[in-house]
Amino acid sequence: DTAVSQTPKYLVTQMGNDKSIKCEQNLGHDTMYWYKQDSKKFLKIMFSYNNKELIINETVPNRFSPKSPDKAHLNLHINSLELGDSAVYFCASSRKAGMNTEAFFGQGTRLTVV
Amino acid sequence: GENVEQHPSTLSVQEGDSAVIKCTYSDSASNYFPWYKQELGKRPQLIIDIRSNVGEKKDQRIAVTLNKTAKHFSLHITETQPEDSAVYFCAASRGTYNTDKLIFGTGTRLQVFP
Repeated sequence: DTAVSQTPKYLVTQMGNDKSIKCEQNLGHDTMYWYKQDSKKFLKIMFSYNNKELIINETVPNRFSPKSPDKAHLNLHINSLELGDSAVYFCASSRKAGMNTEAFFGQGTRLTVV
Repeated sequence: GENVEQHPSTLSVQEGDSAVIKCTYSDSASNYFPWYKQELGKRPQLIIDIRSNVGEKKDQRIAVTLNKTAKHFSLHITETQPEDSAVYFCAASRGTYNTDKLIFGTGTRLQVFP
């Protein structure tokens, strides 16, 4: 009964490929996020959705396209992968945008582009 | 722009000693300040948070203080134990609907030696 789950946990792929990461939360939260953690452990917001609506797009290259089919799911598709995309990608959720409540993180997807 | 500075980047203490991590934020509209602990290879998890209407909050061995005038907040861990060893992240958020995102500090790697 994991609260926020991401798949896959590890992803190794070649430059130029297209890949997707899936995220699901069973907490009944309205808001979901994608964060990127680079090799220096720096965590940075990429996107935020509230009840399927995109509310934050943090100047991420348009090769990254999030999709939220419903409020419990937020997927991330990445086109034309580059070496610099290698990082750990964390999905997270919180109760509702603007409420300043705890963000629950998934276990992360370690993406390695070779 | 929005920025959170965190110091020190690494901190080594003897078991039983106290540890203090300090953060400074730039966005004066920030009103929510959580602290996350990330163990090696794991997801970030909330350990304590504070809102701007409060100056101090304590939860067992962990306390957080906030100085809104100086835009500083700090994490204090007393009676440290080896299991406190992890990377700690401070974060700040405005918490309004369209700005619901965590701006993270750069992290502090805490090592507690037995």
